[in-house]
Amino acid sequence: AQTVTQSQPEMSVQEAETVTLSCTYDTSESDYYLFWYKQPPSRQMILVIRQEAYKQQNATENRFSVNFQKAAKSFSLKISDSQLGDAAMYFCAYRSGFSNFGNEKLTFGTGTRLTIIP
Amino acid sequence: SQTIHQWPATLVQPVGSPLSLECTVEGTSNPNLYWYRQAAGRGLQLLFYSVGIGQISSEVPQNLSASRPQDRQFILSSKKLLLSDSGFYLCAWTRFDGREGYTFGSGTRLTVV
Repeated sequence: AQTVTQSQPEMSVQEAETVTLSCTYDTSESDYYLFWYKQPPSRQMILVIRQEAYKQQNATENRFSVNFQKAAKSFSLKISDSQLGDAAMYFCAYRSGFSNFGNEKLTFGTGTRLTIIP
Repeated sequence: SQTIHQWPATLVQPVGSPLSLECTVEGTSNPNLYWYRQAAGRGLQLLFYSVGIGQISSEVPQNLSASRPQDRQFILSSKKLLLSDSGFYLCAWTRFDGREGYTFGSGTRLTVV
């Protein structure tokens, strides 16, 4: 079974600075998808960014970018120009690329709580 | 556009009472549907998922059950709640291949007293 590990329970960053959240995963599959989700105090889960394993290029969405290292099974999230609204729990998640009954589920890490210091 | 509705937002129930949480998706057909639970300060635990009407897979043996009576409706139930059922419950949907990510409902905070 696939596992997702987030080794940083908490992180903090000064407003306008850059922060990187770590995520590693364990899988024997070659085709899969990786996601970062944000959960603000409202507890709504919001998709931040996604990466397809077969794509070499790292995904970017405005101030959010990832460093996807497939061989190392690492998928870190970089937040540039941190803003107060970025304060939230961030979850890394994995999904198998094979659409087969039983593989469609999303497996989450335990999350990293990000605090933005004004 | 697709939307997902989940209700109620909060619920306080006594131990031993029944439970019914409902989730509906609009603007799409044949979605994959999921129920997750998040205990305080912890990650998300997959409870049930469904890839079609009447098809339910359970990830964790427990006091809860799920049903999918219609294509875009997913219900989480319990006949008798336990204190350990307290938590934050999230419904989610995705297209069949999940490539675009999962869209979550706004969640239900359940407190069993």
